[in-house]
Amino acid sequence: EAGVTQSPRYAVLQEGQAVSFWCDPISGHDTLYWYQQPRDQGPQLLVYFRDEAVIDNSQLPSDRFSAVRPKGTNSTLKIQSAKQGDTATYLCASSPSQYNYAEQFFGPGTRLTVL
Amino acid sequence: AQSVTQPDARVTVSEGASLQLRCKYSYSATPYLFWYVQYPRQGLQLLLKYYSGDPVVQGVNSFEAEFSKSNSSFHLQKASVHWSDSAVYFCALSGASSGSWQLIFGSGTQLTVMP
Repeated sequence: EAGVTQSPRYAVLQEGQAVSFWCDPISGHDTLYWYQQPRDQGPQLLVYFRDEAVIDNSQLPSDRFSAVRPKGTNSTLKIQSAKQGDTATYLCASSPSQYNYAEQFFGPGTRLTVL
Repeated sequence: AQSVTQPDARVTVSEGASLQLRCKYSYSATPYLFWYVQYPRQGLQLLLKYYSGDPVVQGVNSFEAEFSKSNSSFHLQKASVHWSDSAVYFCALSGASSGSWQLIFGSGTQLTVMP
């Protein structure tokens, strides 16, 4: 069974540039999560979906960040105008259920550096 | 508010020695607790999880953890570490926030196993 895949693995931008991250979850997993992991910190949830619906985006900086999952499978996270403070690893995870006991399976992440 | 604290940012042990990584949580109800491991340039992998019942749970690669409600703790242990155990370890709890469930991570403990 293929795991969660993400691309690109690395991105380097100047402030003000846009970038998109792509995630392909494990087949059959209806719940998909995006996390931001600053250096030397734990992951922090940005947004999560069940199928194509956003369940919680309360921690997504809505002025510059957006996330979609149009067909309930793959997902794209976009930063419209990157800032140095966005430098972090962006992790995608998927789960067969949105219930609290369900294990989340993580992709390798995209490491973003904003200069 | 729910939170996870990992008081030791870095731990160094010799190969073959025993290990304990500490985790304290704050949550109003009985939590669902997890330990994840992150190897360099990889995503997080689940080591073990606690939902209920026996407070000592076994995980992969001979790791175990003990849940203590009275101490609000979920410490990770291993009897004899190997150099390949060097990685970052995250404790996490699954809790409800504003009506949705999410994983809340500690800041992580960097484990270095000396040969």
